[in-house]
Amino acid sequence: QKEVEQDPGPLSVPEGAIVSLNCTYSNSAFQYFMWYRQYSRKGPELLMYTYSSGNKEDGRFTAQVDKSSKYISLFIRDSQPSDSATYLCAMSARAAGNKLTFGGGTRVLVKP
Amino acid sequence: KAGVTQTPRYLIKTRGQQVTLSCSPISGHRSVSWYQQTPGQGLQFLFEYFSETQRNKGNFPGRFSGRQFSNSRSEMNVSTLELGDSALYLCASSWIPVRDTDTQYFGPGTRLTVL
Repeated sequence: QKEVEQDPGPLSVPEGAIVSLNCTYSNSAFQYFMWYRQYSRKGPELLMYTYSSGNKEDGRFTAQVDKSSKYISLFIRDSQPSDSATYLCAMSARAAGNKLTFGGGTRVLVKP
Repeated sequence: KAGVTQTPRYLIKTRGQQVTLSCSPISGHRSVSWYQQTPGQGLQFLFEYFSETQRNKGNFPGRFSGRQFSNSRSEMNVSTLELGDSALYLCASSWIPVRDTDTQYFGPGTRLTVL
């Protein structure tokens, strides 16, 4: 079983809808949680960075971390066709330095 | 501020050859990490360099190696290429402040095809 599980999708939503993404993990040492967006044939782009449990909001994006359930979420409000991409969750433990452990990614398609 | 740059962007090699990939981090960033991305395994950590020292290593064979120079630029080398080494190789840089870990910014990657 992988340390970080993420539904591969694809997740198809109409423009303007809320996109809901999530990851579960098994390593309780993970303290830093990130969401990246990756367009086809491009490198991942950092969207959200959260330390420990709680919520964080940035524009249309909201990240939630529930360490007790080992579950993280990303919500995208008012989705746009330009949000169509693969979304990757990533995590790291303090003792592991900058080693990120990624989920497999969820492909999202926002239809006009 | 310029982002992470990687060269070359595309590379085709044959089995048994070796390859060197280059990464220039964001100005001021001192940590460089390398990742391999494949459709089957996703993004997997290769290694991290900080101040010219390998700080962390993933679960890859010894054919995969890297180094970092005094200007923080990094190279990774893969020797005796195998078909399974075909992948997108991504470099990520971060600043490393007082905390041990920091947000990482990725380059566009080098797409390696092994024939």
